[in-house]
Amino acid sequence: DGGITQSPKYLFRKEGQNVTLSCEQNLNHDAMYWYRQDPGQGLRLIYYSQIVNDFQKGDIAEGYSVSREKKESFPLTVTSAQKNPTAFYLCASSIELGLGYGYTFGSGTRLTVV
Amino acid sequence: SQQGEEDPQALSIQEGENATMNCSYKTSINNLQWYRQNSGRGLVHLILIRSNEREKHSGRLRVTLDTSKKSSSLLITASRAADTASYFCATDIGYNFNKFYFGSGTKLNVKP
Repeated sequence: DGGITQSPKYLFRKEGQNVTLSCEQNLNHDAMYWYRQDPGQGLRLIYYSQIVNDFQKGDIAEGYSVSREKKESFPLTVTSAQKNPTAFYLCASSIELGLGYGYTFGSGTRLTVV
Repeated sequence: SQQGEEDPQALSIQEGENATMNCSYKTSINNLQWYRQNSGRGLVHLILIRSNEREKHSGRLRVTLDTSKKSSSLLITASRAADTASYFCATDIGYNFNKFYFGSGTKLNVKP
């Protein structure tokens, strides 16, 4: 079955540590996105990518970095510069950039700072 | 505030009743989508409605779009306990396909 796989499901980060969240899709979608969700709130866009080797900052990119070396993969690194990283992170993909097609979401990674 | 905002923030109904959620936005749009999120899970796409459409149906779901009022509504008919979830609208901005926003959601509780 086609879909998006996020791993790990739960992740714990120590102060000053970088961590990388994995996102893989086998839907042959061009566009991929990373969102952050805080408790009881909506989604905020961190980064998005329209095609391989291209990505753009979203509304809250500070303290995060991404790469898009393969169409299927869009990993997110939460760096030590992100001062409040505890949140639920969601990866999504769509046929093309924008809202002209529905997004497919992964099941999320819950990151906690310890 | 964000482009799209849902109302009410929370809604509690009995099984079998209808549930209506609203989404308001500020600027013109090209597309509006509705999503469902079960607690601690990813979002699931429900319906896409384009700016030149007024109503769409999918099973027990009905979405309307009123561009003059800059609002959309999601109606779930004959609700079930399994419909308990948060519902989000997502909107783009008419002049910029690369700008899109999710609202804060409506938390629906359907009591058996």
